[in-house]
Amino acid sequence: QSALTQPAAVSGSLGQSITISCTGTSSDVGGYNYVSWYQQHPGKVPKLIIYDVNKRPSGVSHRFSGSKSGYTASLTISGLQSEDESDYYCSSFTSRTTYVFGSGTTVTVL
Amino acid sequence: EVQVVESGGALVQPGGSLRLSCTTSGFTFDDYAMHWVRQAPGKGLEWLSLISWDGRSTFFADSIKGRFTISRDNTRNSLFLQMDSLTTGDTALYFCARETLRSSGFDYWGRGTLVTVSS
Repeated sequence: QSALTQPAAVSGSLGQSITISCTGTSSDVGGYNYVSWYQQHPGKVPKLIIYDVNKRPSGVSHRFSGSKSGYTASLTISGLQSEDESDYYCSSFTSRTTYVFGSGTTVTVL
Repeated sequence: EVQVVESGGALVQPGGSLRLSCTTSGFTFDDYAMHWVRQAPGKGLEWLSLISWDGRSTFFADSIKGRFTISRDNTRNSLFLQMDSLTTGDTALYFCARETLRSSGFDYWGRGTLVTVSS
């Protein structure tokens, strides 16, 4: 199972909105509404920020939103803040009843 | 408060074996499927394995299939990963993660336990 494809890096200015893409296949992203997103600061544990494509766990900022179209899921961060500077990973359930993570995206706040 | 704590990581030689444990508290363990995820130094997350709430169903990533075994003991609120035929490519921080109830995603993670495979 190959990793889902994410851009290696995305940057934006304070207050801007950015979008991170996560591209898979019909066997994972395109086949199920079971995409989740994780934020991982350096040396820290991954934190769930979006599940089931577009749902936010309790306590996660409304500035984080998720969507999906075809084989590509997206994470949008609105009103970019300095604390959003982090690594972000997508994940999807697959047709083999396994999961796969994306390659990861480093977000830089300019 | 939900707590997830991994243990058992160590330095092991190539070809060796290791058993990781994950002890949990603060939730009804046997309501949840559980997962193992790893992260090699400086690399991304890699999903490894899933076990159903009752332990009857298990699934593995191709990279570890046939070498690793996942199990759980619901009486001890614990999850395990038996790792055999280890290679240097298995060097990583191993995380235990809880699957969200009735949806996808991993909502609680431990801090991880470090496995180093080296001669």
